[in-house]
Amino acid sequence: SQELEQSPQSLIVQEGKNLTINCTSSKTLYGLYWYKQKYGEGLIFLMMLQKGGEEKSHEKITAKLDEKKQQSSLHITASQPSHAGIYLCGAGPTSGTYKYIFGTGTRLKVLA
Amino acid sequence: EPEVTQTPSHQVTQMGQEVILRCVPISNHLYFYWYRQILGQKVEFLVSFYNNEISEKSEIFDDQFSVERPDGSNFTLKIRSTKLEDSAMYFCASRGSEAFFGQGTRLTVV
Repeated sequence: SQELEQSPQSLIVQEGKNLTINCTSSKTLYGLYWYKQKYGEGLIFLMMLQKGGEEKSHEKITAKLDEKKQQSSLHITASQPSHAGIYLCGAGPTSGTYKYIFGTGTRLKVLA
Repeated sequence: EPEVTQTPSHQVTQMGQEVILRCVPISNHLYFYWYRQILGQKVEFLVSFYNNEISEKSEIFDDQFSVERPDGSNFTLKIRSTKLEDSAMYFCASRGSEAFFGQGTRLTVV
């Protein structure tokens, strides 16, 4: 079955610094989602990528899906305390299953 | 922007009680899902529902759980006799060309 692995598991950066979070799939991705979550709260949709090589941006967050569609990265430029939270990648469904799966999450802390 | 709505946002229940979590999916979507996230842990798949029946379920989704689409608009998750370990955030999702997740119901079993 498909697995999503995120790295790093946690990240502490100084405000103003850039950072990248990675999401690697054990199988080809057919739709990769990025979400942000505050601890114990709901999922905030950030972006969805479908095509190999696709890149999307929203404010200071850019997400890319590699050409082989097995890895995605989320890049935050000039981080701010408001970027702090847990970033989750999600994917699916692949053939033989209806379900979406999620990565383990990356916990981001931004120091002011 | 279409949205999946879940109610209530927070429910507290006594152990052993039945709970029903409600979701209103996006109207023209055909696939519906429930997920669970125990605090601090991964978002886990529970069940998918298509054409008025369960299409796939995980090992978590045992006989204590059931899903229903009672009136063509709501999609519900019932937990028959809640246990302490059922305390979690429960997310509903619906899918057309892409999936949309609701904001979740936090269930606390005391």
